[in-house]
Amino acid sequence: DAKTTQPPSMDCAEGRAANLPCNHSTISGNEYVYWYRQIHSQGPQYIIHGLKNNETNEMASLIITEDRKSSTLILPHATLRDTAVYYCIVRVLRDDKIIFGKGTRLHILP
Amino acid sequence: DAGVTQSPTHLIKTRGQQVTLRCSPKSGHDTVSWYQQALGQGPQFIFQYYEEEERQRGNFPDRFSGHQFPNYSSELNVNALLLGDSALYLCASSLLSGRTFSETQYFGPGTRLLVL
Repeated sequence: DAKTTQPPSMDCAEGRAANLPCNHSTISGNEYVYWYRQIHSQGPQYIIHGLKNNETNEMASLIITEDRKSSTLILPHATLRDTAVYYCIVRVLRDDKIIFGKGTRLHILP
Repeated sequence: DAGVTQSPTHLIKTRGQQVTLRCSPKSGHDTVSWYQQALGQGPQFIFQYYEEEERQRGNFPDRFSGHQFPNYSSELNVNALLLGDSALYLCASSLLSGRTFSETQYFGPGTRLLVL
């Protein structure tokens, strides 16, 4: 079973920041937080991952709370192309598999 | 930089047939994982191949088997197809060897299998 809880859907206006929350209250000390997204009928796309520090790349920022029990993925300026299902995952490095939950369906509104 | 490629993109089979799906990993990667994604669900882990051996397996029957070749490409075979095997089959690659290993899995576009 997935170790994360995400809202099933969210809306965001185009051009605004999209903030996607994720709860992972049972996360272990050696588990990383990963985010993927899946645009309709395509393969999941890696976005970002982190252990305890906040991370930023060209796609998004990842904010992890100090107790590591929750995190937020931030898309700074959402566009219509960001409409997708976003998956928050926790996993140990060198673990073979990714366990996907149901994810959050993000709708970007024009 | 070549990403993960999969073939074919779409496939239609009938119950009881056998199917082979193919995956080429991202350049520089040595590990291939396979996932099944039913409509409306998240992907489910089938198995992972590293050094031409099955490293770990998810909760799938023995009808699902795989192979990894010396060039790191991989095949997924499904025997005795059932209607419930209709799904998007995803391949993901990563790098486990060496000091600069990168266990982030990068996914291909998938093969959509329809079993009639």
